[in-house]
Amino acid sequence: KNEVEQSPQNLTAQEGEFITINCSYSVGISALHWLQQHPGGGIVSLFMLSSGKKKHGRLIATINIQEKHSSLHITASHPRDSAVYICAVRSGGSARQLTFGSGTQLTVLP
Amino acid sequence: ETGVTQSPTHLIKTRGQQVTLRCSSQSGHNTVSWYQQALGQGPQFIFQYYREEENGRGNFPPRFSGLQFPNYSSELNVNALELDDSALYLCASSLWTDFDRYTFGSGTRLTVV
Repeated sequence: KNEVEQSPQNLTAQEGEFITINCSYSVGISALHWLQQHPGGGIVSLFMLSSGKKKHGRLIATINIQEKHSSLHITASHPRDSAVYICAVRSGGSARQLTFGSGTQLTVLP
Repeated sequence: ETGVTQSPTHLIKTRGQQVTLRCSSQSGHNTVSWYQQALGQGPQFIFQYYREEENGRGNFPPRFSGLQFPNYSSELNVNALELDDSALYLCASSLWTDFDRYTFGSGTRLTVV
């Protein structure tokens, strides 16, 4: 079993739909990250969470430490949101590396 | 403030050859982490460099090695290339004291034939 599991692997939505991507992890963590990867390969950090909820524009990320679960929500989705969304965790203690999930390919149709 | 630059962007090598990939860290960052991303998978941690020394290594064989230079830029070297080494290689720079604020490069796409 992978330390970080994401679901779904692939997601197709119509423009305007509310989207949820889920991430579960099995280790104790210091932080959880949501990242976005476009076809060219570059990765951009969206959120870093250690507790609670964060919002940036149409993106919302939540984390439940007790349940070892996080969700990324996109409200009013748009075709430009199409990308791979990846969850990554940094283990507890002094660890300075990220363990990634396998990503969710999101396609938003006009 | 410059971002992270990786070179080359694409590379084709033959099985058994050696390859060197380069990463220039973002201005002000002193730590470089390297990741391998196979097609359809999330990145996997290879190793990390700080103060020109390796600090932490993932589950990769010794034929994967690296360097960090005094200007914090870094190299990833892979010897005796295998077909399974074909992947996108990403580097990310950060501050040792603030690891969660990192910047990724756009990666080097390595194809081994």
